[in-house]
Amino acid sequence: DIVMTQSPDSLAVSLGERATINCKSTQSVLYSSNDKNYLAWYQQKPGQPPNLLIYWASTRESGVPDRFSGSGSGTDFTLTISSLQAEDVAIYYCQQYYSTPFTFGQGTRLEIK
Amino acid sequence: EVQMVESGGGLVQPGGSLRLSCAASGFTFRSYWMHWVRQAPGKGLVWVSRLNRDGSSTNYADSVKGRFTISRDNANNMLYLQMNSLRAEDTAMYYCARNRLLSGDDNSGYRDFDLWGRGTLVTVSS
Repeated sequence: DIVMTQSPDSLAVSLGERATINCKSTQSVLYSSNDKNYLAWYQQKPGQPPNLLIYWASTRESGVPDRFSGSGSGTDFTLTISSLQAEDVAIYYCQQYYSTPFTFGQGTRLEIK
Repeated sequence: EVQMVESGGGLVQPGGSLRLSCAASGFTFRSYWMHWVRQAPGKGLVWVSRLNRDGSSTNYADSVKGRFTISRDNANNMLYLQMNSLRAEDTAMYYCARNRLLSGDDNSGYRDFDLWGRGTLVTVSS
């Protein structure tokens, strides 16, 4: 199984500042035949289901604000929120969909400082 | 409106059974691979199972293999999860999730989950 490890476990950032969350996989999720990273990022607010933010490691889902961006390749990935807003308080998960069982990171709790 | 609504959760004793349902609407359900994902109280997300478009191919997490069965009824836009031999560690919110469809002829089950239901809570306790 591919293990996904996020860092940090929790993060407090001031409003308007940048937030960065990292995700590392135990094996590459880059599929050589199409040069795509099978990596997604989800946001989960309290009492709500997860909401897709980013797929193919860097493609923003429709309707997601452009302050959210994803980067990385192979085994190391980053989710960046360029200017934190109050509504961004949530838990963020990375997920690999390269192979079953599909696995998620343990989550990163983002709070306002 | 494009949505999925889960039902069928509740309190069940260890060793018991439960069938979860996920009603899909607003999209061509039969075109999509579907998943179940669960989340224990206060914990992270765990993928449970996957089903292809016509119901002929399934995958399961090791923790539920042999106890859970995923199925679908494309005529009625329904996804199911039959859960048998339930254990305390199966206590969780269960979400159905839709596998992204890149194009009409995209038949890959290896995609992100672009639509989620609100979940149904399963509690296994005596």
